[in-house]
Amino acid sequence: GQSLEQPSEVTAVEGAIVQINCTYQTSGFYGLSWYQQHDGGAPTFLSYNALDGLEETGRFSSFLSRSDSYGYLLLQELQMKDSASYFCAVRGNQGGKLIFGQGTELSVKP
Amino acid sequence: GAGVSQSPRYKVTKRGQDVALRCDPISGHVSLYWYRQALGQGPEFLTYFNYEAQQDKSGLPNDRFSAERPEGSISTLTIQRTEQRDSAMYRCASSPKTGNTGELFFGEGSRLTVL
Repeated sequence: GQSLEQPSEVTAVEGAIVQINCTYQTSGFYGLSWYQQHDGGAPTFLSYNALDGLEETGRFSSFLSRSDSYGYLLLQELQMKDSASYFCAVRGNQGGKLIFGQGTELSVKP
Repeated sequence: GAGVSQSPRYKVTKRGQDVALRCDPISGHVSLYWYRQALGQGPEFLTYFNYEAQQDKSGLPNDRFSAERPEGSISTLTIQRTEQRDSAMYRCASSPKTGNTGELFFGEGSRLTVL
């Protein structure tokens, strides 16, 4: 099976940088994804890492270390609108099934 | 359509009734997924399709749950003899590719309440 661990809550101030970590256990591995979900909304895709290293998309970056079964999402220049839940998700060795973590609720304070 | 469309958006039913939830994926998307999401939790995988073929149904909780996608486009998730514990947000997502891509496009969900 697969399991993912991420912190349940993170708080940061506007303009700061925050890192949300994700560790995973899978019998196979095909990539780590990150999703954002605002209250009452649908999850929306942020990034995908299939290989080790850092992927940057604007204020958001995502990192993967396959040897450590670890990744993180880095959010820079935090804005109030970044307050949301963030989910990591992995695709394991059972084909196309994408398994989500329980989510990290990010609160951005003024 | 422009996005993944789910209907009904809200469904209230009595225990023991059957419900059918519909998902209309983005046009041309090959893969379609069903998830269930409880408040404050991550999406829980139920099942997924590539084209009309159900690839994995390991997440369906029991045999009261079934899904189909007969023509490789619209999908229906059916819950028979609903129970209160079935109350949740049911989300559909689609992807333009099969296989190993991490990007899914989610619909707004169908909120099911079983009284």
